[in-house]
Amino acid sequence: QAGLTQPPSVSKGLRQTATLTCTGNSNNVGNQGAAWLQQHQGHPPKLLSYRNNNRPSGISERLSASRSGNTASLTITGLQPEDEADYYCSAWDSSLSARVFGGGTKLTVL
Amino acid sequence: QVQLVESGGGLVKPGGSLRLSCAASGFTFSDYYMSWIRQAPGKGLEWVSYISSSGSTIYYADSVKGRFTISRDNAKNSLYLQMNSLRAEDTAVYYCVYGPLDYWGQGTLVTVSS
Repeated sequence: QAGLTQPPSVSKGLRQTATLTCTGNSNNVGNQGAAWLQQHQGHPPKLLSYRNNNRPSGISERLSASRSGNTASLTITGLQPEDEADYYCSAWDSSLSARVFGGGTKLTVL
Repeated sequence: QVQLVESGGGLVKPGGSLRLSCAASGFTFSDYYMSWIRQAPGKGLEWVSYISSSGSTIYYADSVKGRFTISRDNAKNSLYLQMNSLRAEDTAVYYCVYGPLDYWGQGTLVTVSS
């Protein structure tokens, strides 16, 4: 099953803003929106945002998600050392009847 | 609070079988769909299977279709994954996941190797 496309890595400085992207098609991101997950080494993923910009309780307001067409984005402002992690996007694909994931973006905070 | 505890992982030879279990608590299990998602060592996330709240609707990834079977017992608040004809490429941490990715278990490691 075809996945979503994410850049493998993004590097930004402390207190800067990082924008991570996730490209799919009209059957997944363009239709259902995307969820964003954060994963620190050795831990299970944690949901940051679902259906584009709905944040679960407890998730920092420094994170915001959006969508334009078939591309979803996650913006993290005021980068902190604890933001350094792997970030995955995911969407339900209505034509495949399957959930698809991006390959993940490793965010490095310099 | 929501808790998902996977069990049943381990080392198995190619062609062998394993049954994973996930014990759920802290929410009304029978109200929510559930999924299994896996992650091979050093790799990204891969969706494996989905089951609706009643168990009437089930989907599988192409990579496991015909070999894996997802099921649930709402009376026991439990989710299962029967894995047959295991291959080396099935080696991964398998996560039990609540609803639209809201909560994840800690995962159970399945290693397929001779």
